[in-house]
Amino acid sequence: AQTVTQSQPEMSVQEAETVTLSCTYDTSESDYYLFWYKQPPSRQMILVIRQEAYKQQNATENRFSVNFQKAAKSFSLKISDSQLGDAAMYFCAYRSAGTASKLTFGTGTRLQVTL
Amino acid sequence: GAGVSQSPRYKVAKRGQDVALRCDPISGHVSLFWYQQALGQGPEFLTYFQNEAQLDKSGLPSDRFFAERPEGSVSTLKIQRTQQEDSAVYLCASSSGTAYSNQPQHFGDGTRLSIL
Repeated sequence: AQTVTQSQPEMSVQEAETVTLSCTYDTSESDYYLFWYKQPPSRQMILVIRQEAYKQQNATENRFSVNFQKAAKSFSLKISDSQLGDAAMYFCAYRSAGTASKLTFGTGTRLQVTL
Repeated sequence: GAGVSQSPRYKVAKRGQDVALRCDPISGHVSLFWYQQALGQGPEFLTYFQNEAQLDKSGLPSDRFFAERPEGSVSTLKIQRTQQEDSAVYLCASSSGTAYSNQPQHFGDGTRLSIL
């Protein structure tokens, strides 16, 4: 079974600065997808960014980018120019490409953004 | 609809009661998922529907948990004889793709269930 590990329960960043959230995963599969979701206090999970394992190029979405290291099974999220609205729980998630598309989540990292 | 809608937003029940949680997915979305999120944890998969067919129910923790999607749109998650460990947020997600698609899952706001 696949597992996803987020080793940072909490992180803090100053507004306008850059922060990196870590995620590692364990799988024996070669084809899969990785995601970062944001969960504000409203509880709705919002997709931030996703990466297909077969793509070597790291995904980027505006201020959000990932560092995908397939051999190391590492998938970190970098948030540039942090904003107060970025404060939330961030979850890393894995999805196999070969089976029904359920997501396996990590335990989350709570990001605080300070002035 | 514009997004995934879940009701009720909060549900309090006494231990032993039955509860029903509703999910109204995005119109036209084929796939529907239920997840359980315990306090301080990430969501955990419960079950998956493709249209009205329940293709995966491997995450349901016991036979007290039952889900249905009879017409391939609205889904209901039912928990019988609730226990305190059932207290959690229950998230519903829908996707326009089928099981092997890479279409993203869109989540609702969840139902927070508290068992007294």
